[in-house]
Amino acid sequence: KQEVTQIPAALSVPEGENLVLNCSFTDSAIYNLQWFRQDPGKGLTSLLLIQSSQREQTSGRLNASLDKSSGRSTLYIAASQPGDSATYLCAGPRSNDYKLSFGAGTTVTVRA
Amino acid sequence: NAGVTQTPKFRILKIGQSMTLQCTQDMNHNYMYWYRQDPGMGLKLIYYSVGAGITDKGEVPNGYNVSRSTTEDFPLRLELAAPSQTSVYFCASSYGYEQYFGPGTRLTVT
Repeated sequence: KQEVTQIPAALSVPEGENLVLNCSFTDSAIYNLQWFRQDPGKGLTSLLLIQSSQREQTSGRLNASLDKSSGRSTLYIAASQPGDSATYLCAGPRSNDYKLSFGAGTTVTVRA
Repeated sequence: NAGVTQTPKFRILKIGQSMTLQCTQDMNHNYMYWYRQDPGMGLKLIYYSVGAGITDKGEVPNGYNVSRSTTEDFPLRLELAAPSQTSVYFCASSYGYEQYFGPGTRLTVT
């Protein structure tokens, strides 16, 4: 069973600072890892999906890395803005399983 | 495309009542999922389906039932509501590994 952990649970940064969000997983045979954003009272929006064959995936100010050997993924958000305030969740399946195991999320507040 | 839609958005149930949470997707995805999210916790998988007519249990299936008669629809049934089922319920669908989520149903059982 894939166990996914996100530390810290909450993070507050001033506007303009780069954000670094961490995700740890127990099964190094992970097939891919997905990062989501959740706004208060809303559903989850997929941000990035990194395949096991990739080490990084980028979309605009977002960059996600995947290190299977250490069981870690990191989401970088460059030059944070107040609009980036949300909860960020990571999730990963087993090697050939579409069912996802989720971390509890990191709630980010970007102060103007 | 509407993506994944869920109804209702909010519902208050009394203990012992029953209800069905509706989920529809218009992306022709084979895979569909039901999750629940409790405060401060990650999402837990309740049930999932790999195609019409095929369903299977996830991590926390007790107290719930599902059916999948069409590709588009995946309703979740609560038969005898209990306070422990107070939660936010999300439906999701996927073609491959990338999952797409609905806006959620906030359910309170009192």
